Amino acid sequence: EVQLVESGGGLVQPGGSLRLSCAASGFTFTSYWMSWVRQAPGKGLEWVANIKQDGSEKYYVDSVKGRFTISRDNAKNSLYLQMNSLRAEDTAVYYCARDTLSSTWYGSHYFDYWGQGTLVTVSS
Amino acid sequence: EIVLTQSPGTLSLSPGERATLSCRASQSVSSSYLAWYQQKPGQAPRLLIYGASSRATGIPDRFSGSGSGTDFTLTISRLEPEDFAVYYCQQYGSSRPLTFGGGTKVEIK
Repeated sequence: EVQLVESGGGLVQPGGSLRLSCAASGFTFTSYWMSWVRQAPGKGLEWVANIKQDGSEKYYVDSVKGRFTISRDNAKNSLYLQMNSLRAEDTAVYYCARDTLSSTWYGSHYFDYWGQGTLVTVSS
Repeated sequence: EIVLTQSPGTLSLSPGERATLSCRASQSVSSSYLAWYQQKPGQAPRLLIYGASSRATGIPDRFSGSGSGTDFTLTISRLEPEDFAVYYCQQYGSSRPLTFGGGTKVEIK
């Protein structure tokens, strides 16, 4: 059974940092791109970032470029999101999601499995 | 960036009725790379449709997707009580970033 379990959310002050983790199990982690998707309270879904199987390619939505860093540890079947210079508008539930099997960006980047999410609140 | 516009914002229907949800893209979505998700309160989204018309594993056949280019539709042929939820479309064509529509809420009339 595929499982994605996020952790690391919490309350942080504006300008602060937080590192989210996602523990993956039940599938061959090294075969898949992985993504982070967020959802602000009462709002829709927003893709944040994704990372290729070997970590050699990473892509971000413009609003987080230069502030967030996605990474993965294939030995630990884990995905991470380092979030720096946090703003109030980054407040959201952050979901880890399984992305494509493709070996390039030009693949099917839809999300067939999602974690339960972890809430990040940026407030003073 | 491809902007996805979903309509209507809210759809009020009764169980057993047919639901038709629209997703319009600001530019053509390559290779019909469009997906649909269902989200219930307090839950993560669930993949329903990918490639505009292919049902994901375990999705009932009352859910169907159609369309190409800039116009896509999700149809629920006969609403079951568990289908009342929010539905999102997502494009995953060659352009970045990956984007979602704003959602359509299907509520009980």
